[in-house]
Amino acid sequence: EVQLVESGGGLVQPGGSLRLSCVVSGITFSDHYMDWVRQAPGKGLEWVGRSRNKAYSYSTEYAAPVKGRFSFSRDESKNLVYLQMNSLKTEDTAVYYCVAGYSDRWGVDVSDIWGQGTMIIVSS
Amino acid sequence: DIQLTQSPSFLSASVEDRVTITCRASLGFSSYLAWYQQKPGKAPKLLIYGASTLQSGVPSRFSGSGSGTEFTLTISSLQPEDSATYYCQQVHSYPLTFGGGTKVEIK
Repeated sequence: EVQLVESGGGLVQPGGSLRLSCVVSGITFSDHYMDWVRQAPGKGLEWVGRSRNKAYSYSTEYAAPVKGRFSFSRDESKNLVYLQMNSLKTEDTAVYYCVAGYSDRWGVDVSDIWGQGTMIIVSS
Repeated sequence: DIQLTQSPSFLSASVEDRVTITCRASLGFSSYLAWYQQKPGKAPKLLIYGASTLQSGVPSRFSGSGSGTEFTLTISSLQPEDSATYYCQQVHSYPLTFGGGTKVEIK
């Protein structure tokens, strides 16, 4: 079964750090890019960033609001993707989704697998 | 950054109505647009990618079209289970961006 399962969410104080994990099953981990998308309570979707697939050396892209504070990494041996979040702000409060996708033969992204999401609350 | 503006932000329609949601981009691009459906408390679900390609398993009443700066998602015959919020996303250039969403209510 194809599945993404996030973990690591919770309550953290402003300025603190947290690491989210996303375990991938049912797909070839190294062939897929992994995005993180967040959704603040009652708000729309916001793209956080991407870890490209192995063919692109797992290189990364970040959205401006998180650049320099968030970072992605992968553990191939465990089919795990990590989102390390530092210097957290109250505006980072959101449900965080990990998303797996691939590029079709025309180079179009197909982000077809989403995790269930994990909630991060940044508050004192 | 490419800004995406969805309209309307809310619509109420009856079962079997034809519904159209528009996504306008601040910069033109070809087919690098996806549509998602999100129900309350659930993760988004991919409906359409490449502007017009129906994701496997998605009912054929959903269709997408457009290029340049205007894209549309059409539900040809609205069903009760289509009550949800719909988002467009451009995957043409970084940072990837989403539209603000369109909430569809069944009358």
